[in-house]
Amino acid sequence: ETGVTQTPRHLVMGMTNKKSLKCEQHLGHNAMYWYKQSAKKPLELMFVYNFKEQTENNSVPSRFSPECPNSSHLFLHLHTLQPEDSALYLCASSRGTSGGNQETQYFGPGTRLLVL
Amino acid sequence: GENVEQHPSTLSVQEGDSAVIKCTYSDSASNYFPWYKQELGKRPQLIIDIRSNVGEKKDQRIAVTLNKTAKHFSLHITETQPEDSAVYFCAAFNGNQFYFGTGTSLTVIP
Repeated sequence: ETGVTQTPRHLVMGMTNKKSLKCEQHLGHNAMYWYKQSAKKPLELMFVYNFKEQTENNSVPSRFSPECPNSSHLFLHLHTLQPEDSALYLCASSRGTSGGNQETQYFGPGTRLLVL
Repeated sequence: GENVEQHPSTLSVQEGDSAVIKCTYSDSASNYFPWYKQELGKRPQLIIDIRSNVGEKKDQRIAVTLNKTAKHFSLHITETQPEDSAVYFCAAFNGNQFYFGTGTSLTVIP
């Protein structure tokens, strides 16, 4: 349960605020991911980092800015968000991003974000 | 890209009965199919997975079957218990990224 941690667990912010979400993994993995989970929708992949390098950016608006200082830490910087950005933001990690058993993902508990 | 569809969106079963959730995918390059269980307010947790070189995999009361020709895979839970109540979602990995189903909310009625 403590392999992937996220803080804060809950966040309420106004549209003009700037905040950051933090994710940390203690599994020795090399890849980390940000997902958005909204009601009645499939998980939406936002960003992928492999060995600290961003490898995927799924057309995410620039008001979401990821940062990966090392393979264990991942941040999501938020600014001038919209109410429709309210969702559960999940972080995940995996050993790698392709082939063999590397891609199995382990999720954090998520940050429940409400934008007013 | 890949398109994963999951059915049903909600499922209620009596305790002790079986539950089956089905997913279809479109990309024949997809080769890895995990299933996740997400209890209310908790993180998604991997419960079982299957690779494209295998047709079926079992782990106690949980099994997954894969039909590569028809491009569908299913989760089977036997002898359901109230603690099986959760949202289950499937995923397909096409060698590039995961694509997830919309989830099935399973309720096991005691």
